[in-house]
Amino acid sequence: GAGVSQSPSNKVTEKGKDVELRCDPISGHTALYWYRQSLGQGLEFLIYFQGNSAPDKSGLPSDRFSAERTGESVSTLTIQRTQQEDSAVYLCASSLAHTEYTYEQYFGPGTRLTVT
Amino acid sequence: AQKVTQAQTEISVVEKEDVTLDCVYETRDTTYYLFWYKQPPSGELVFLIRRNSFDEQNEISGRYSWNFQKSTSSFNFTITASQVVDSAVYFCALSEPPGAGGTSYGKLTFGQGTILTVHP
Repeated sequence: GAGVSQSPSNKVTEKGKDVELRCDPISGHTALYWYRQSLGQGLEFLIYFQGNSAPDKSGLPSDRFSAERTGESVSTLTIQRTQQEDSAVYLCASSLAHTEYTYEQYFGPGTRLTVT
Repeated sequence: AQKVTQAQTEISVVEKEDVTLDCVYETRDTTYYLFWYKQPPSGELVFLIRRNSFDEQNEISGRYSWNFQKSTSSFNFTITASQVVDSAVYFCALSEPPGAGGTSYGKLTFGQGTILTVHP
């Protein structure tokens, strides 16, 4: 079946502009995660959705970052007033969910964000 | 707090050599999950294996094998008879189970990754 998809694959934006990144999880996966991968920081967790609620936002680096999810489907990560340090690859992952069992996460191809 | 250490930043081998990628982890939980992911040059993270903390059996899948040693908090990955297509960045990751009393909700803590280059 279809994997996790993300759009756009690349985004170049000017400092100070807002950007929206989109993630389409695997159908039936109620858990959705956003991560960021950058040279200096490696792979970092940003936010977790269970259904359309976000019980863990602990990884969002500042209040310029926000995310939402529609139902148990598409999620968008929004970065307002982008800064150069926001340049990174933003990865989305989805998995099945269970209250006491961790399933493997399947990752999308990522969105490479460059802030000039 | 959880931590994953992959001490080997880069490894270079010649095709057909065996190679072991090291992973050491830290967690205060008795129940946890360990993962390995592969990131080839195309960039997409590919799931390789999940192991829970109660299952210490080693696992073999084709040329891949994993050695889980709870006593040393290690989860090492060996590729036998390496091939050029094995060239990638390999990540080890740790997750606490959701509902364990923590707030991880299954999020992954990754190591810094090991760049493996297999030369023909």
